[in-house]
Amino acid sequence: EPEVTQTPSHQVTQMGQEVILRCVPISNHLYFYWYRQILGQKVEFLVSFYNNEISEKSEIFDDQFSVERPDGSNFTLKIRSTKLEDSAMYFCASSEVPPGLSYEQYFGPGTRLTVT
Amino acid sequence: RKEVEQDPGPFNVPEGATVAFNCTYSNSASQSFFWYRQDCRKEPKLLMSVYSSGNEDGRFTAQLNRASQYISLLIRDSKLSDSATYLCVVHGGSQGNLIFGKGTKLSVKP
Repeated sequence: EPEVTQTPSHQVTQMGQEVILRCVPISNHLYFYWYRQILGQKVEFLVSFYNNEISEKSEIFDDQFSVERPDGSNFTLKIRSTKLEDSAMYFCASSEVPPGLSYEQYFGPGTRLTVT
Repeated sequence: RKEVEQDPGPFNVPEGATVAFNCTYSNSASQSFFWYRQDCRKEPKLLMSVYSSGNEDGRFTAQLNRASQYISLLIRDSKLSDSATYLCVVHGGSQGNLIFGKGTKLSVKP
């Protein structure tokens, strides 16, 4: 069964450093998403991406964040200068079509980011 | 008003019990609704989509009441493996961002 993969599974970085989180969405999917979940809190939407551009972003997704699809398979989330409050689990998701058409999003296993 | 509200639980039930989860959402324009389950420190996994007519998948039944902006999930004959946090999820935006509830924790005991 096809699945979303993410690397690394755990990233530890110092405050102020740049991190890149990587995702390989399901191959025939066209819509890609990043979410985060701070420990003990709910899953929060960050950004959606379609046709090589951002479709929608939340208030969390400020200028410190960027996304890219550098090739035909990878989808990355970059945090330019990490802060302590960026520590969270970051989930990548993909869907074949937008959920407005009742197609579901499938999540990767996540990258646990720890900022020290 | 919170966008997606759920009873946080925990719900502690014996094996074989029937358990119901409820959820309300605030955006009347939402078009898609889902239940996901999340095991501790794992990713959310899609359990089922929720349709206006209601839908059933084995021991799981989901219902949607658009007028009341209310979603439910019923689990019959609960198993130990059903222990997880159940997330009520609503489609939020034009390009498909999902809005998650905080989840209801279920613990099924032998």
